[in-house]
Amino acid sequence: GAGVSQTPSNKVTEKGKYVELRCDPISGHTALYWYRQSLGQGPEFLIYFQGTGAADDSGLPNDRFFAVRPEGSVSTLKIQRTERGDSAVYLCASSLSRGSSYEQYFGPGTRLTVT
Amino acid sequence: GENVEQHPSTLSVQEGDSAVIKCTYSDSASNYFPWYKQELGKRPQLIIDIRSNVGEKKDQRIAVTLNKTAKHFSLHITETQPEDSAVYFCAAVDSSASKIIFGSGTRLSIRP
Repeated sequence: GAGVSQTPSNKVTEKGKYVELRCDPISGHTALYWYRQSLGQGPEFLIYFQGTGAADDSGLPNDRFFAVRPEGSVSTLKIQRTERGDSAVYLCASSLSRGSSYEQYFGPGTRLTVT
Repeated sequence: GENVEQHPSTLSVQEGDSAVIKCTYSDSASNYFPWYKQELGKRPQLIIDIRSNVGEKKDQRIAVTLNKTAKHFSLHITETQPEDSAVYFCAAVDSSASKIIFGSGTRLSIRP
């Protein structure tokens, strides 16, 4: 079956612009996670959805970052007024349900470059 | 919150030898410890995991150990092969928090 997919695979944008990154989770997975991976580092948690609601957004670095999952499936990560420090690979993961009993399956990521 | 420390940051071993990567965690509420392998430009892939009610788990050439008292856990790869070359991440998960807290990664290189 299809795994987690993310679009676009690469995004180059100018400083100050707005970007949207999309995640399509595995069908039937109710939990969805966003992580950010900077070069040479491990992924860092950003936000987690259970269904349509953001259950934990403690990892969002500031109010320029926002994510939605309006129908409990596809999620969009939105970044306003992008800065060069936002450049990273943004990874999405999904799992059957919340909690450590369920493996998180990662998507291929979106590489964001802010020039 | 949880903090995961991982070392070494780089590791080079001769093909056929063993490799060991060590991690520590800070939050005693963490009860699940997955290990991920990430090849260049690819997504993290779960290779093995261990839960806090188990001290050791083995899957072919890969084994993990967990010392809950000391908050240490380790990955052991035996009979290393060229395809084992990658970056390996340890991680910790709190059952109530759901999010994965990753270590900083170990770049493993296998010398022919």
